[in-house]
Amino acid sequence: NAGVTQTPKFRVLKTGQSMTLLCAQDMNHEYMYWYRQDPGMGLRLIHYSVGEGTTAKGEVPDGYNVSRLKKQNFLLGLESAAPSQTSVYFCASSSGQPPGYTFGSGTRLTVV
Amino acid sequence: SQQGEEDPQALSIQEGENATMNCSYKTSINNLQWYRQNSGRGLVHLILIRSNEREKHSGRLRVTLDTSKKSSSLLITASRAADTASYFCATGLNTGFQKLVFGTGTRLLVSP
Repeated sequence: NAGVTQTPKFRVLKTGQSMTLLCAQDMNHEYMYWYRQDPGMGLRLIHYSVGEGTTAKGEVPDGYNVSRLKKQNFLLGLESAAPSQTSVYFCASSSGQPPGYTFGSGTRLTVV
Repeated sequence: SQQGEEDPQALSIQEGENATMNCSYKTSINNLQWYRQNSGRGLVHLILIRSNEREKHSGRLRVTLDTSKKSSSLLITASRAADTASYFCATGLNTGFQKLVFGTGTRLLVSP
């Protein structure tokens, strides 16, 4: 099925550890996004990309890095995880035209 | 943050009743979109309304937009238990459909 695939779905990290979240889309979308969702905070944009090889900061970029070496993949990295990064992370993609975004099913990350 | 704010934060109704959710935003927009999120899942696009439109319909969904009041409402008619979910508004600013800002969501519970 066409769509956005996120891996892994769940992960527990210790403080200070690093990890990479992978987002893959097969819709040839130019735009890709990483959001985090916390209770009562809605979705907040971490980083986004407007095309292969490009990245830009969103609303809450600190502590995260991203890369988009291939059009279909958008990677989110945590270099040194902190408990404040415990959250559900969503990847989305868009053609930049209507109707809207296509979201992945999320990655639930716990940092202990 | 130029985030939309949904009202109410939570809504509980019986099957067959109508559900109305409101979204207010702070700046001029190009378009406004509504998304649904079932528990533990990613967001799914429901409906889009452009800034020059006042009302749109899609099945049991009716969206209105009042740009003078910077507000939108989502009406779900004849609610079903399967409509139980969180609903988010998202605003597209000058960049149109390329970058959305999401609100904090309304949790809807429809009881049989």
